[in-house]
This record gives sequence, structure tokens and C-alpha cells, in this order.
Amino acid sequence: QARLEQSGAEVKTPGASVTISCKAFGYIFSDYYIFWVRQAPGQGLEWMGAITPKSGTTSYAQKFQGEVTLTRDTSTNTTYMHLSSLRSQDTAVYFCARAPIRLPGLLEYWGQGTLVTVS
Amino acid sequence: ETVLTQSPGTLSLSPGETATLSCRASQSVGSKYLAWYQQKPGQAPRLLISGTSTRATGIPDRFSGSGSGTEFTLTISGLEPEDLATYFCQQYGDSPVTFGPGTKVDI
Repeated sequence: QARLEQSGAEVKTPGASVTISCKAFGYIFSDYYIFWVRQAPGQGLEWMGAITPKSGTTSYAQKFQGEVTLTRDTSTNTTYMHLSSLRSQDTAVYFCARAPIRLPGLLEYWGQGTLVTVS
Repeated sequence: ETVLTQSPGTLSLSPGETATLSCRASQSVGSKYLAWYQQKPGQAPRLLISGTSTRATGIPDRFSGSGSGTEFTLTISGLEPEDLATYFCQQYGDSPVTFGPGTKVDI
């Protein structure tokens, strides 16, 4: 059974940066995209970016260009999301999710989410 | 960017009733590229339906999806108490992928 496990909650001050990890279990890591989605308190879902684990190719939503960096480590089946220059508006739960290569964007499995509080 | 609008914002129903949730797109979405997700309080979203009408593994058949073009519907027949959640539609045929604002179902 595929599973994504994210790192724990973070509390950061404005201007700092944060890195969240997303470790994959139960499937071939390189065969699926990893997407990152943000959910501000009481709000909807917002796509931030995606990475192809096999090649490391990334794609970012325009809003997050220059602020988000996605990387991966194929030796540990882990994807990382680095968010810089944090502001209070970045307080949110951040999710990673798996998407098949044949249907990028279809988010089949989700991590449990990581709460980032900027205060 | 394809903007998705969902209605109603909140739906209050009793167990056993049928919930009809609407998702409208600002431009045509291919039927292959429309999904619905369920998010229970404090949990991550879960894929319910992909390709407009295909239930994900383990999803009960009381959940059904339909629609085409710019109008899509999620129907929950015979509501159960555990269906209390917010439901999001999503299109993944166009970049960026976008989500609707969600419909909250109160049981």
C-alpha cells in the first residue's frame, strides 16, 4: 500500500525559511510525480509545485516561483519542499501527494500534512 | 487558468438523504481530468473520484460522479454520518491544476 509520510510541525519567525520532507513507501518512487499543495487555515487547496523524482525536473505555480524549491533524494525515496522568506500568510498546512506519470495532477495518495506556523 | 466554482457552500442534510454537489468550470474540462476529493476535519484530502465518474479504490458506491464540459456533479446517496466532510473538485487537464473552494456537508 502506497504511503507518504511528512515531517512534523514547524514554528518559524517571519523572514525565516522552512524545509518539509515527504518520504514515500510501498511503491516505486521514480514512477510517480510528487505534488505539493497548501491549505491556509479554513481555506481551500492551492497547488504550489511538482517534481519528477526520476529526473528531478520541477514545475512551480507562478505565485510560488522564486519562493519554493523542490528537491528529491532517490536513495531515501524522499522529496523536500523548501519555502523561503516566510510571512504570516504562509501559515498553513502543507501536503505532498502522489500523481501518476500518465495523469499528472491526479492526486491518488496524500501525506498527512505538515503545519507551518509563522509568527 | 481554469477557475472552479462549487455550490452550495454548505449542505445540511440528514442521514439517508441524498447530497448533490455542483462544480462549474470557467472553461471546458475534459472528462478524463476532473476529480473529487473528500477532506474530513483534521485530515488530509482523500481521492474519491477521478475521470469524472471512476471511484477510487475502496470508495463506496453511494458516491457517484457525472458531468461534462463545464458542469460536473458529485452525488452522495444515502448519507452516512461518516460522510461529514468538505468535498473539493479539481481539474488536472490544464496547468496549473486548480481546485474548487469546496462544499461542506453537514450531517
